[in-house]
Amino acid sequence: SSELTQDPAVSVALGQTVRITCQGDSLRSYYASWYQQKPGQAPVLVIYGKNNRPSGIPDRFSGSSSGNTASLTITGAQAEDEADYYCNSRDSSGNLVVFGGGTKLTVL
Amino acid sequence: EVQLVESGGGLVQPGRSLRLSCAASGFTFDDYAMHWVRQAPGKGLEWVSGISWNSGSIGYADSVKGRFTISRDNAKNSLYLQMNSLRAEDTALYYCARRYYGSGSYYFDYWGQGTLVTVSS
Repeated sequence: SSELTQDPAVSVALGQTVRITCQGDSLRSYYASWYQQKPGQAPVLVIYGKNNRPSGIPDRFSGSSSGNTASLTITGAQAEDEADYYCNSRDSSGNLVVFGGGTKLTVL
Repeated sequence: EVQLVESGGGLVQPGRSLRLSCAASGFTFDDYAMHWVRQAPGKGLEWVSGISWNSGSIGYADSVKGRFTISRDNAKNSLYLQMNSLRAEDTALYYCARRYYGSGSYYFDYWGQGTLVTVSS
């Protein structure tokens, strides 16, 4: 089982705001990174560090963290944001890497 | 342009071995840690193994420890995963990913397209 816990599925109306969360003890010590994966494609980094977006990622994507919970927020969700989203960080020992189970985002 | 191209996947019987390769280009390979991440059909991402730039630090997921060996050849800009004693549950798409440290965080900034490993008799 993953040391990072995500809700399996979340839905959002087109143009509305959605928050995808990731919980784990290691997140008290380490930042999470977030990845978007569309069917048949490799994952794409969307958020890293405190709240950083790689070049080319729209500014409607943002990240935050509090206690043992990291969050990915999409402000004004678009149809093309429909995808699976994964959080990633170190495990509780700090030595290994772990992914959350993933959240399937549906844009209605 | 950063490129990561995996190869070596295929159909293999349980208990047999397979060696995956990842050819890197477009960046200074020996400046970065490299990792393998897999995804079973219809399932989520699972970290498999990682190796530091100089091979001095290596880690494995519990699910593959003792069976898989990660290595790299910086002269050839290549990452490898030797997979022994393969099981049906090792069936997955195996991604090679570059690990970067920046802004106080580790993250995977580039991924290959994956190579499919199917373990079946």
